Amino acid sequence: DVKVTQSSRYLVKRTGEKVFLECVQDMDHENMFWYRQDPGLGLRLIYFSYDVKMKEKGDIPEGYSVSREKKERFSLILESASTNQTSMYLCASSTRTSGRLYEQYFGPGTRLTVT
Amino acid sequence: DQQVKQNSPSLSVQEGRISILNCDYTNSMFDYFLWYKKYPAEGPTFLISISSIKDKNEDGRFTVFLNKSAKHLSLHIVPSQPGDSAVYFCAAAVNTNAGKSTFGDGTTLTVKP
Repeated sequence: DVKVTQSSRYLVKRTGEKVFLECVQDMDHENMFWYRQDPGLGLRLIYFSYDVKMKEKGDIPEGYSVSREKKERFSLILESASTNQTSMYLCASSTRTSGRLYEQYFGPGTRLTVT
Repeated sequence: DQQVKQNSPSLSVQEGRISILNCDYTNSMFDYFLWYKKYPAEGPTFLISISSIKDKNEDGRFTVFLNKSAKHLSLHIVPSQPGDSAVYFCAAAVNTNAGKSTFGDGTTLTVKP
């Protein structure tokens, strides 16, 4: 079974703090993604990575950055946390194997509260 | 511009009946469609998918229908079970190597015993 783990289930941070959210997958997947989920807004893509050290902006990258130094690990960084970044953050991964390219495997999520 | 829309935020059905969840899209470049299920406090899990070259795909109690001319897809669950109660997301993708998908807002399905 593919396993995607996220470093924390719940996190409380103060406005202005630098926040790191870590994601690790154990299936050697090439692609990794960071989403945020807010009520009524579904899953919105923040950043994705299709290879080590490669990254692409998603739909809402402002206020975020990412790092992928190793294939299995994809980090989301909030440079200076703000209250409007309070949300559920979901990490996902997928393989480039033909026929399975779009099936994403998600972690359990990190509920971040910024006060 | 929301390219993938699930117009019904919630749906309630009786156990044993059919659940039909709908999804509309605007981008004619989408050529692969997926449904995910999400339980509270868990990440979404892949349920079923369909390529644009097909109009139907079936997996057990779950069937996805695609109407390309109407840019509409639907997920049918027959028969519905209380364990199917969850949030269902549809997603759509353009055939690229990046594997990126665009998700809808989700529909909360409640199956009553």
